Amino acid sequence: KNEVEQSPQNLTAQEGEFITINCSYSVGISALHWLQQHPGGGIVSLFMLSSGKKKHGRLIATINIQEKHSSLHITASHPRDSAVYICAVRIRRGGADGLTFGKGTHLIIQP
Amino acid sequence: KAGVTQTPRYLIKTRGQQVTLSCSPISGHRSVSWYQQTPGQGLQFLFEYFSETQRNKGNFPGRFSGRQFSNSRSEMNVSTLELGDSALYLCASSPGTSGSDEQFFGPGTRLTVL
Repeated sequence: KNEVEQSPQNLTAQEGEFITINCSYSVGISALHWLQQHPGGGIVSLFMLSSGKKKHGRLIATINIQEKHSSLHITASHPRDSAVYICAVRIRRGGADGLTFGKGTHLIIQP
Repeated sequence: KAGVTQTPRYLIKTRGQQVTLSCSPISGHRSVSWYQQTPGQGLQFLFEYFSETQRNKGNFPGRFSGRQFSNSRSEMNVSTLELGDSALYLCASSPGTSGSDEQFFGPGTRLTVL
């Protein structure tokens, strides 16, 4: 079983819809990252969370440490939001380990 | 500030050869991490360097190695290339003072092994 699970794997929605992408993890973590990857490969870091909620423009990320769950929300979605969204965690193994990634959610926003 | 740069952007090699990829972090960042991305396995952590020392290593064979220079630039090397090494190799830099810093990714090097 993967230590980081994302759902859904694929999501197609209409412009303007409210989007939710979920991430669950099975181990103790020191931080959770939400990343965005556009075709061509470039990755942009959207959020880094260790507790609570963060907002940037139309994007909102929340994390529930007790439930080991995080969500990424996109309000008023737009075709330019079409990308792969990846959840990644830094597992607390007693040292500064590298990131462990989910498989990603392929999001398509249709005009 | 200039972003993370990686060279080369594209590379074609044949099985058995070796390859060296380069990563220049954001000015002032002391940590560089390397990742491999393939369609089958997704993104996987290779290693992390901080102040010229390998701080962490992922679960990859010894054919994968890296180093970091005093100016924080990093290189990774893959020896005896296999077809399965075809992937997008990404590096990311961070200030490095905390194990949970935000990471800034480069554009990647796409390696094709024939």
